[in-house]
Amino acid sequence: DGGITQSPKYLFRKEGQNVTLSCEQNLNHDAMYWYRQDPGQGLRLIYYSQIVNDFQKGDIAEGYSVSREKKESFPLTVTSAQKNPTAFYLCATSPGLAYTGELFFGEGSRLTVL
Amino acid sequence: RKEVEQDPGPFNVPEGATVAFNCTYSNSASQSFFWYRQDCRKEPKLLMSVYSSGNEDGRFTAQLNRASQYISLLIRDSKLSDSATYLCVVNALTGGGNKLTFGTGTQLKVEL
Repeated sequence: DGGITQSPKYLFRKEGQNVTLSCEQNLNHDAMYWYRQDPGQGLRLIYYSQIVNDFQKGDIAEGYSVSREKKESFPLTVTSAQKNPTAFYLCATSPGLAYTGELFFGEGSRLTVL
Repeated sequence: RKEVEQDPGPFNVPEGATVAFNCTYSNSASQSFFWYRQDCRKEPKLLMSVYSSGNEDGRFTAQLNRASQYISLLIRDSKLSDSATYLCVVNALTGGGNKLTFGTGTQLKVEL
């Protein structure tokens, strides 16, 4: 099936541990994005990437890191430097940064730091 | 002022009611506009794009008012299955490409 796959869906970690969230797409989209959603807040952009081996910081990049070694994959690492990591993380894609249409979302990963 | 503002609700309405949400945006250079629907603990899904001339999709009507910088969503004959959070999304062209800004969402609860 065509789409975006995020894993894991639920993740529990102890404070101080790094965690990596996976995002894989087979839509052949160039642009990929990571958003964070907290209760009562809109989605906030963490990082985005337009092409392989290139990515840009979004509005709340501190405490996060990404890589884009393949077009299909855009993993997000939540490092121990992120002060409030518990959140719902959403990966999204679009055909390109210049595309003015909608984003396509994965099902999300819910991270809880204990 | 927030870039995109929505009334968070919740809006509790009886089944069959007509309900309308507004969303205001601050960037006058915004180019495209969307309504997304998000069910509890799920990802957002595109409900409809919003065009300058207004557009309708079944029971849903979206309108854009560029002069006053707001978009609206009207839902007629509400169904229980319409219960969800509705996100207003605005796309503006920046130096780094298009930037989507999400509102916090308006929660709708349709009741018997």
